[in-house]
Amino acid sequence: SQTIHQWPATLVQPVGSPLSLECTVEGTSNPNLYWYRQAAGRGLQLLFYSVGIGQISSEVPQNLSASRPQDRQFILSSKKLLLSDSGFYLCAWSRTGGYSPLHFGNGTRLTVT
Amino acid sequence: AQSVTQLDSQVPVFEEAPVELRCNYSSSVSVYLFWYVQYPNQGLQLLLKYLSGSTLVESINGFEAEFNKSQTSFHLRKPSVHISDTAEYFCAVSAGNTPLVFGKGTRLSVIA
Repeated sequence: SQTIHQWPATLVQPVGSPLSLECTVEGTSNPNLYWYRQAAGRGLQLLFYSVGIGQISSEVPQNLSASRPQDRQFILSSKKLLLSDSGFYLCAWSRTGGYSPLHFGNGTRLTVT
Repeated sequence: AQSVTQLDSQVPVFEEAPVELRCNYSSSVSVYLFWYVQYPNQGLQLLLKYLSGSTLVESINGFEAEFNKSQTSFHLRKPSVHISDTAEYFCAVSAGNTPLVFGKGTRLSVIA
């Protein structure tokens, strides 16, 4: 069966510090990978998605970036965090095809102070 | 592009009462529709999905949703809710190979 791992679960970082959140998927090959951010009352905002190694689509201009160095690894980064980057970050994977549901990790609660 | 509107941000309901969480979508092409549930401090879990065929789809824990193309709706219903159903519910839409677009969520609070 497929599993998705996302870490850390919680993170408190000062403004201006760097960020690296990691997500890995097991039990499947060539998944589509996604990073979403969830802010209170705003639902889920798609940040990045990837259909293959090195292929990243950015949905929202911001100071975050994503990379996919391996088939089942997806990393969310920032060089300098802003207060507005606080939120709940969710990684997800799906098989190719729009009919394929997303499978989510347990999320990372990021607080920028 | 697709969009999803969840008309109610919060829905309080008494235990064992029925509930309906509303979802409307907008799309110029055929869509796939999903409902997800999120318990506190967890990721989202797939509750049910409509891909094709029967317009009424059911989940294993008593929820059902009906795809209504003419009204562009995919409302979620349960005839009798339990305390354990307290969670946030998200409707989502996808068309072809585009990423899922989510609504803003509806927080269901079941009151004993």
